[in-house]
Parts: sequence; structure tokens; C-alpha cells
Amino acid sequence: DIQMTQSPSTLSASVGDRVTITCRASQSISSWLAWYQQKPGKAPKLLIYDASSLESGVPSRFSGSGSGTEFTLTISSLQPDDFATYYCQQYNSYLFTFGPGTKVDIK
Amino acid sequence: QLQLQESGPGLVKPSETLSLTCTVSGGSISSSSYYWGWIRQPPGKGLEWIGSIYYSGSTYYNTSLKSRVTISVDTSKNQFSLKLSSVTAADTAVYYCARQPPRITIFGVVTPSLNWFDPWGQGTLVTVSS
Repeated sequence: DIQMTQSPSTLSASVGDRVTITCRASQSISSWLAWYQQKPGKAPKLLIYDASSLESGVPSRFSGSGSGTEFTLTISSLQPDDFATYYCQQYNSYLFTFGPGTKVDIK
Repeated sequence: QLQLQESGPGLVKPSETLSLTCTVSGGSISSSSYYWGWIRQPPGKGLEWIGSIYYSGSTYYNTSLKSRVTISVDTSKNQFSLKLSSVTAADTAVYYCARQPPRITIFGVVTPSLNWFDPWGQGTLVTVSS
């Protein structure tokens, strides 16, 4: 199975900060990567698919980049609603795997 | 607007079978465009894909759970279901169902694809305990 890692595991930031989360795959997954946002007690919400395609309705402050084994999710200016946990998911192989998550909390 | 809703017992005894159903509303599960999946999340932990199914009944399972998992579809009820046998406390989790959108080419050709998950149901907590 393809293993996914994320860094950092926790990120403390302030409103207005530029935030970058990294996701790495144990082997090349081309651009077959999605990013999700999850708030406590809620289901994950799709933000980005195909590494860099913004899901409809998601604010443009969210962006994704990367290919192969290294990917990033960037929030250009952190808003109060963005404090949450973020997960990456690969779908290069149908044996889908998720990263362990990055919690973004208030500094 | 498509909605998914998980249902089933919230408490299951060790060694028994966990059974959940996902009811789809606002769209047809028989659409040839979509796969449908189950994902779980143990309390305070990350996400684990369990398996996916196409309306025709074709299934794909996580290799770590394959020997215990059965996913089926009932197109007449617009539902798909999960059965997980021989459960232990390690199977305690919030269980989510979700849709997997298709690929659409620039020419408008729609191809069902095993890719990302969107939307998700709200999730249901299943506790394994005697």
C-alpha cells in the first residue's frame, strides 16, 4: 500500500497568516491527490482534488500544488473558519490511503 | 443536492457483525457515473478507507479488512450497505459513507472513477463493547 505522511502534525498560526501543509507519498502518485478539511464532530469536506483543482465553492485562499511524491496545501491568509484538521488522500491506487492529518490551531 | 445518511446500531458486541446502511437522497445510486465508499475514523484518530462499490455490484476492499468486509448495493432502495464481521474494540469508530465523483473529459465524456470522496454523510459512531 502507498503510505502517506504529513507535516507538521500540528501547526499554530494566527488569523491572516500564510499556512503551508506538506503531504508526502511513499511512491509516486502523479497528481492523484485530494485535500480535505475536517472540523470536530463533522465529516471531512473536500477542498482540492487532482493535487491542484479547487473544489467548487471552496474559497480561493486555498490552493494545492505538487506532483509525484511531494504535495502542499496552502492557505494564503488564514481565516477564523479555517482552524481545523487537514488530511491528504491518494487515489493513484484504488487502495486509497489518507495522511495522518495536520491540526491547525490558534496561536 | 445529494445527501448521504448512515444508519445502524450504535453498539455491537465483540465477535459479532457490524451492519450499516447508507441511504442516498437527491440522486440515484444506479447512476453509472459514481462509485460509493465507506470510510471510518476511530475516536481521535485519522481516516481509513474500508471499501467501495459500483452500482453493478463490483467491489474494492482495503486489503487489511478484506477478509471481514462485505459491501453491497440495493438499487431499489437507493442504499448501499457495509458488513464487518468478527469485530473487536479496534473497530470502534465513526463510520462514514461517501460518493466518488467521475472523471469528466474536456469533451464531456463521463467515466466512473475510483478517486476522491465527495460528498460525505454525517457519520455514525459504532462502539464495540460487551
